[in-house]
Amino acid sequence: KNEVEQSPQNLTAQEGEFITINCSYSVGISALHWLQQHPGGGIVSLFMLSSGKKKHGRLIATINIQEKHSSLHITASHPRDSAVYICAVSLYNQGGKLIFGQGTELSVKP
Amino acid sequence: KAGVTQTPRYLIKTRGQQVTLSCSPISGHRSVSWYQQTPGQGLQFLFEYFSETQRNKGNFPGRFSGRQFSNSRSEMNVSTLELGDSALYLCASSLVGGVGANVLTFGAGSRLTVL
Repeated sequence: KNEVEQSPQNLTAQEGEFITINCSYSVGISALHWLQQHPGGGIVSLFMLSSGKKKHGRLIATINIQEKHSSLHITASHPRDSAVYICAVSLYNQGGKLIFGQGTELSVKP
Repeated sequence: KAGVTQTPRYLIKTRGQQVTLSCSPISGHRSVSWYQQTPGQGLQFLFEYFSETQRNKGNFPGRFSGRQFSNSRSEMNVSTLELGDSALYLCASSLVGGVGANVLTFGAGSRLTVL
């Protein structure tokens, strides 16, 4: 079993829909990262969370430390949100050493 | 300010050769970490450098090595290339490194093809 599991692996949505991507982990962490990767490879860091909830525009990320679970929500989805969303955890006391989920490929249709 | 710069962006090598990839972090960032991305294994951590010292290392063979210079620029080297080393190699920089987690800024990656 992978230490970081994401679901779903693939997701197709219609423009305007509310989207949720889930991430569960089984290791001790100092923080959880949500990353976005567009075709071509470049990765953008969306959020880094160690507790609670963060919001940036139409994106919301939450984390429940006790349940070892995080969610990324996209409200009013748009075709430009189409990308791979990757959950990654920073191991406790190991800074930049990230363990990655397998990614969720999101396609938003107009 | 300039982002994280990786060079070269694309390169083709043959088995047995070696390759050196470069990563220039955002000005002021002292931590650089490297990752390998392949279709089969996804993203995997290679190593992290902070103030010219390797702080963490992933589970890769000794053919994979790296270093960091006093200006925080980092290089990674892969010797005796194998077909399975074909991948996108990404580096990321952050303001500090070590114990705590930090927001990472990624470069565009270097895509290596081994023939």
